[in-house]
Amino acid sequence: DIVMTQSPDSLAVSVGERVTMSCKSSQNLLYSLNNKNYLSWFQKKPGQPPKLLISWASTRESGVPDRFTGSGSGTDFTLTISSLQAEDVAVYYCQQYFSALPFTFGPGTKLHI
Amino acid sequence: EVQLVESGGVVVQPGGSLRLSCAASGFTFDAYAMHWVRETPGKGLQWVSLISSDASTTYYADFVRGRFTVSRDNTENSLFLQLNSLRPEDTAFYYCVKDMGAGGSGWPFDYWGQGSLVTVSS
Repeated sequence: DIVMTQSPDSLAVSVGERVTMSCKSSQNLLYSLNNKNYLSWFQKKPGQPPKLLISWASTRESGVPDRFTGSGSGTDFTLTISSLQAEDVAVYYCQQYFSALPFTFGPGTKLHI
Repeated sequence: EVQLVESGGVVVQPGGSLRLSCAASGFTFDAYAMHWVRETPGKGLQWVSLISSDASTTYYADFVRGRFTVSRDNTENSLFLQLNSLRPEDTAFYYCVKDMGAGGSGWPFDYWGQGSLVTVSS
């Protein structure tokens, strides 16, 4: 199985602050034939389902504010929120879809004010 | 607008069974693979099962293989998960999730339903 790890586990943040969080995979998620990284970032708020923010490591989904940026390649990835807004307080999960046996999520990074 | 609405979550005793359903709308259901993903406080998000767009391929997580069965009815735009031999550790919110591809491997998960709570307790 591809093991996903995230750091930090939780992070105290302030509105307007730049926030970065890390995701690492135990195997390479870059497919050389198409040069794509098979990694997504999800935002999870209490009582709501996860929301896809970023796919292919750096492709922002339609409607996602441009303060969210995904970067990285291979086994090391980062999600950056350039200027945190109050509504961004949530748990953020990374997930690999390179291998279906099984698809795996990281344990999450919880942002709290 | 894509909508995924799960139903069927209940309280069931260990060893019991139940069937989750997911009604899909707002997209061409038979063109996309679908997943079940569960969420627990202790283990976060866990992928459970995948079914390809034409139901020809199914995959399961090791912890449910042999106990859970995924199926779909493309004429009714519905996804199902049959849960047998339930254990307390299967207690979770179960989400119906749309894939961006047809085969289900190598594509992002995009839309999620609101989830259905399954509680396994005596």
